Amino acid sequence: EPEVTQTPSHQVTQMGQEVILRCVPISNHLYFYWYRQILGQKVEFLVSFYNNEISEKSEIFDDQFSVERPDGSNFTLKIRSTKLEDSAMYFCASSREQGLYTDTQYFGPGTRLTVL
Amino acid sequence: RKEVEQDPGPFNVPEGATVAFNCTYSNSASQSFFWYRQDCRKEPKLLMSVYSSGNEDGRFTAQLNRASQYISLLIRDSKLSDSATYLCVVKDGGSYIPTFGRGTSLIVHP
Repeated sequence: EPEVTQTPSHQVTQMGQEVILRCVPISNHLYFYWYRQILGQKVEFLVSFYNNEISEKSEIFDDQFSVERPDGSNFTLKIRSTKLEDSAMYFCASSREQGLYTDTQYFGPGTRLTVL
Repeated sequence: RKEVEQDPGPFNVPEGATVAFNCTYSNSASQSFFWYRQDCRKEPKLLMSVYSSGNEDGRFTAQLNRASQYISLLIRDSKLSDSATYLCVVKDGGSYIPTFGRGTSLIVHP
């Protein structure tokens, strides 16, 4: 069964450093997403991406964040200057369609980001 | 502000028990509803969508009450493998973006 993959599984970085989290969505999917989940908190939407551009983003997704699909398979989330409060699990997801009554998003296993 | 509220639990039940969770949402314009399951330190996985008429999938039954703005999940004949956190997810009419609740923890013991 096809699946979303993410690397690395755990990233430790120093405050102020840049990090890039990588995702490989399911190959025939067209919509891509990033979510984060701070330990013990709810899953929060960050950004959605379609046709090589951002389609929606949340208040959390400020100028420190950017997303890119550099080639036909990878989807990346960059955090330019990490803060302590960026420590969280970051989930990538993908879907073939996007609809109000369908939710066929498949989540990757996540990257745990620890900012020291 | 859009809120999706769940009792965090944990709900601690024996195998074979029936257990039910509720989830309330604040935005009366919410259009679609889902239950996800999340195992400890794993990704969320879609369990089922919630339809207006209610729907059932094996041991799982989901209901929607628009008047009171809540959805419910009923699990019959609980299995040890049902132990997980159950996330309530809501989408509004103007956006495809889901809003997640914090989840309800279920522990099924022998």
